[in-house]
Amino acid sequence: DTAVSQTPKYLVTQMGNDKSIKCEQNLGHDTMYWYKQDSKKFLKIMFSYNNKELIINETVPNRFSPKSPDKAHLNLHINSLELGDSAVYFCASSQARSGGGTGELFFGEGSRLTVL
Amino acid sequence: SQQGEEDPQALSIQEGENATMNCSYKTSINNLQWYRQNSGRGLVHLILIRSNEREKHSGRLRVTLDTSKKSSSLLITASRAADTASYFCASSSGSARQLTFGSGTQLTVLP
Repeated sequence: DTAVSQTPKYLVTQMGNDKSIKCEQNLGHDTMYWYKQDSKKFLKIMFSYNNKELIINETVPNRFSPKSPDKAHLNLHINSLELGDSAVYFCASSQARSGGGTGELFFGEGSRLTVL
Repeated sequence: SQQGEEDPQALSIQEGENATMNCSYKTSINNLQWYRQNSGRGLVHLILIRSNEREKHSGRLRVTLDTSKKSSSLLITASRAADTASYFCASSSGSARQLTFGSGTQLTVLP
């Protein structure tokens, strides 16, 4: 039973195309995230949803649009792909901690996007 | 801006040796976490240390936290080839429901 699953694992596409990555978690967590990992392995938060509501939206081009149909799913749609969008995109989930702060994140295996 | 910096960026040791990685962060934290990432895989949580804790152990892992210096270290004792991976620290600050990750340390354990 995969806790956080994301599909597809690999995406190769041409500049200008639109693509989507899907994520599902079966942990019952209330918060889900999208992180982007660049070629130097630096991880940057893109979006965070809590119970289907957007709570974090970092400086990300509006070509990126997250959608959370329910608290177990968080999808990422990217319009008009550019070369610089090539990266590994990670979905993650967590449960709120009493006393504040963020608890342990559970990550998916990543979706490697290559834009040609 | 990146919250955490890790040091060293890369570390190569022999099996059986200890590995120490350091992490610095910039703002006050609720907790600090360490993650491991094998090549081509997702990140896996290793250990969480709260801001009021100074040291924590889990198996061969030992984490320390010095809030006065805004730094943490991860020690892996008696390393194994299977410990080869990238290790990241991540900080949770204020009321933000997110973790901010450091730049990572690539650990290579030679058999």
